Amino acid sequence: EVQLVESGEGLVQPGGSLRLSCAASGFTFSSYAMHWVRQAPGKGLEYVSAISSNGGSTYYADSVKGRFTISRDNSKNTLYLQMGSLRAEDMAVYYCARDAHSSSWTYFDYWGQGTLVTVSS
Amino acid sequence: EIVLTQSPGTLSLSPGERATLSCRASQSVSSSYLAWYQQKPGQAPRLLIYGASSRATGIPDRFSGSGSGTDFTLTISRLEPEDFAVYYCQQYGSSPRGTFGQGTKLEIK
Repeated sequence: EVQLVESGEGLVQPGGSLRLSCAASGFTFSSYAMHWVRQAPGKGLEYVSAISSNGGSTYYADSVKGRFTISRDNSKNTLYLQMGSLRAEDMAVYYCARDAHSSSWTYFDYWGQGTLVTVSS
Repeated sequence: EIVLTQSPGTLSLSPGERATLSCRASQSVSSSYLAWYQQKPGQAPRLLIYGASSRATGIPDRFSGSGSGTDFTLTISRLEPEDFAVYYCQQYGSSPRGTFGQGTKLEIK
């Protein structure tokens, strides 16, 4: 059974940093691109970042470019999102999601349960 | 940059009725690379449709997707109580990849 479990939930002050993790199991993690998607309270889904299966290619939405870093450790079956210079508008539930394909960035067939990031002084 | 606009914002229907949700793109979506997701309160989104018309594993056949180019539709043929949720479309064919529509809330009338 495919499972994605996010962690790293927390309250951080504006300008602060936080690292999210997503532990994967039930599939060959190193064979799939992975993504982060966020959802602000009461709002819709916003695509945040993506990373290729081997970590060699990454993508960031303009809203987080230069502040967030996506990475993965295939030996630990874990996806990360390092968030810096956090702003109030970054407050959201962050979901990790598996790409449905191994060799490209497409749609998301499995999602984690989400982890809440609160940005407030 | 492709922008996806979903309509209506809210759709009020009764169980047993037919639901038609629209997703319109500001530019043509490459190769019908469009997906639909369902999200219930407090839950993660669930993949329903990919490639504009292919049902994901385990999705009931009352859900169907259609369309191409800039106009796409998700149809639920006969609403069940568990179908009332928010629905999002997503395009994955053009940059910026992964763009979502703003969502359609399907509520019980």
